[in-house]
Amino acid sequence: EDQVTQSPEALRLQEGESSSLNCSYTVSGLRGLFWYRQDPGKGPEFLFTLYSAGEEKEKERLKATLTKKESFLHITAPKPEDSATYLCAVQAADGSQGNLIFGKGTKLSVKP
Amino acid sequence: EAGVAQSPRYKIIEKRQSVAFWCNPISGHATLYWYQQILGQGPKLLIQFQNNGVVDDSQLPKDRFSAERLKGVDSTLKIQPAKLEDSAVYLCASSRGQSGTQYFGPGTRLLVL
Repeated sequence: EDQVTQSPEALRLQEGESSSLNCSYTVSGLRGLFWYRQDPGKGPEFLFTLYSAGEEKEKERLKATLTKKESFLHITAPKPEDSATYLCAVQAADGSQGNLIFGKGTKLSVKP
Repeated sequence: EAGVAQSPRYKIIEKRQSVAFWCNPISGHATLYWYQQILGQGPKLLIQFQNNGVVDDSQLPKDRFSAERLKGVDSTLKIQPAKLEDSAVYLCASSRGQSGTQYFGPGTRLLVL
């Protein structure tokens, strides 16, 4: 069964304190791995798509990496506005076209 | 480019009542998805449309949930009758193709009393 596990469930950082979020996945053939940011009361906002092991993508203070079993979202020198829930999702290469399987998310709080 | 639009944003109903949600996808996006997000969980796919045809509704509780996508653009998701466990956020997403990046709307927050 395709599955996504995110850790930690919650993370509290001081402003400027860099850290990483983990997304472990089990899927029968990976079409793509997606990272989204979700603010309270809003829908998920797209951040990155990764397609193959070794791939990396960056956007401002965020950097996403991918291996054959997991992905990391590295946050460098975070600011309070980075506080949100970060969701990881995988799309299988077989089975249902397009279906994203999500983890439960990591709730990030950045204190000034 | 306008994003995915959803209405209403909030809805409170009593159990056994019916409710309907509306979604307008990003212009030109052929694929439309409805997800259910229960508090503290990630979104779970309910149904996927390609134009006006259903691609995947394997996780849709068909005894109470129904959805349609008229003319391959707007979509409506209906629950009849609602149960307490249907309390959740209902998210609509769209993408250009079946494996493209999915963009989400703001969601409809449903509370069933």
